Amino acid sequence: DAGVIQSPRHEVTEMGQEVTLRCKPISGHDYLFWYRQTMMRGLELLIYFNNNVPIDDSGMPEDRFSAKMPNASFSTLKIQPSEPRDSAVYFCASSFIVGNSPLHFGNGTRLTVT
Amino acid sequence: AQKITQTQPGMFVQEKEAVTLDCTYDTSDQSYGLFWYKQPSSGEMIFLIYQGSYDEQNATEGRYSLNFQKARKSTNLVISASQLGDSAMYFCAMRVWGAGSYQLTFGKGTKLSVIP
Repeated sequence: DAGVIQSPRHEVTEMGQEVTLRCKPISGHDYLFWYRQTMMRGLELLIYFNNNVPIDDSGMPEDRFSAKMPNASFSTLKIQPSEPRDSAVYFCASSFIVGNSPLHFGNGTRLTVT
Repeated sequence: AQKITQTQPGMFVQEKEAVTLDCTYDTSDQSYGLFWYKQPSSGEMIFLIYQGSYDEQNATEGRYSLNFQKARKSTNLVISASQLGDSAMYFCAMRVWGAGSYQLTFGKGTKLSVIP
């Protein structure tokens, strides 16, 4: 099993630019989650999907953030326009529907907005 | 709302000794699960161990075990025979099923340093 695959690993961009983060979940997993990790706020849930449908996006900071899951094997998180305060590590994770299933995390994308 | 509290920002332990990392949680729901993750300096999140709210026995996985005290709403992680590779951030997390949500809510973490 290849695990959850995220790309890119590192992204450096200038304020105002569009940023797209990509995620391939583990095959067969029903749920996909996007988390953001910062020193100040820790790990925060941004949005999660069940069977490609967004279930809870209450953690998305503002309209500059959007996420899609066009099929079971691919999801994107887009920030447009990006701001320096968006700098963080963004994790994608997937899991089975069973309640005791852990989340399997990708290696994360470290985003730096200058 | 669910809340996870890890009160120890940093801990030190001598190699080969045991260490306990604290975690308390707050939920009014009866059905929930508690998870522990390890995040080494390389950044990946590694699942370690799970405890369900209805589990009668403390969970164990190799050198990891949980001291689950439901009445106190605490689930402390015990790492036995610490190794240098155990140096990392450790996160406690909770999933509450009553709300029909499958997300994990994380604590702020504890940084463990193993001293040779």
